[in-house]
Amino acid sequence: DAGVTQSPTHLIKTRGQQVTLRCSPKSGHDTVSWYQQALGQGPQFIFQYYEEEERQRGNFPDRFSGHQFPNYSSELNVNALLLGDSALYLCASSAPVMGETQYFGPGTRLLVL
Amino acid sequence: RKEVEQDPGPFNVPEGATVAFNCTYSNSASQSFFWYRQDCRKEPKLLMSVYSSGNEDGRFTAQLNRASQYISLLIRDSKLSDSATYLCVVIGDYKLSFGAGTTVTVRA
Repeated sequence: DAGVTQSPTHLIKTRGQQVTLRCSPKSGHDTVSWYQQALGQGPQFIFQYYEEEERQRGNFPDRFSGHQFPNYSSELNVNALLLGDSALYLCASSAPVMGETQYFGPGTRLLVL
Repeated sequence: RKEVEQDPGPFNVPEGATVAFNCTYSNSASQSFFWYRQDCRKEPKLLMSVYSSGNEDGRFTAQLNRASQYISLLIRDSKLSDSATYLCVVIGDYKLSFGAGTTVTVRA
């Protein structure tokens, strides 16, 4: 049973570029959440997708957008990258029950130069 | 005020010691609570859920105090492998809020 998978594992971009990160949820999960974790900080909630729609969003600008596909996989897109977007981006999946445990993927390390 | 706050530590303890730390949350309507563990440069992994009546999992004990809006984690008989950052997680309205983490280092 595959857990949550993410790709790529590492990425280097320059300011102003755009990036797309991908996530496949754990088998049996249909809810995907994305988080940004800066060095030395806890993960910050970006948004959550359920039934191919954004259900909840954290305090991130519109440069951060996402998508969920019919097979429940998800993408995170970040436009007009800033140096401050350098972080570990974590995807977590869960069953569609309020308060259900979330399981994290290994993350994508993004470095913006 | 941050939604979830933790003492960052670090807590530096010898093997076999007991270590405990708290996490406070601001949203009184929060519904679910968890402790996650994160090793350096790895993803967070669920350690345990926190139930209203308190719960144990081996050497780990979690407590919830809704009146004072905090949760706690106690580790007994610390092992070297317990060295990690412990993240407090609070769920409300489908959104997870993480604390910044408490770093625990267990020394031989």
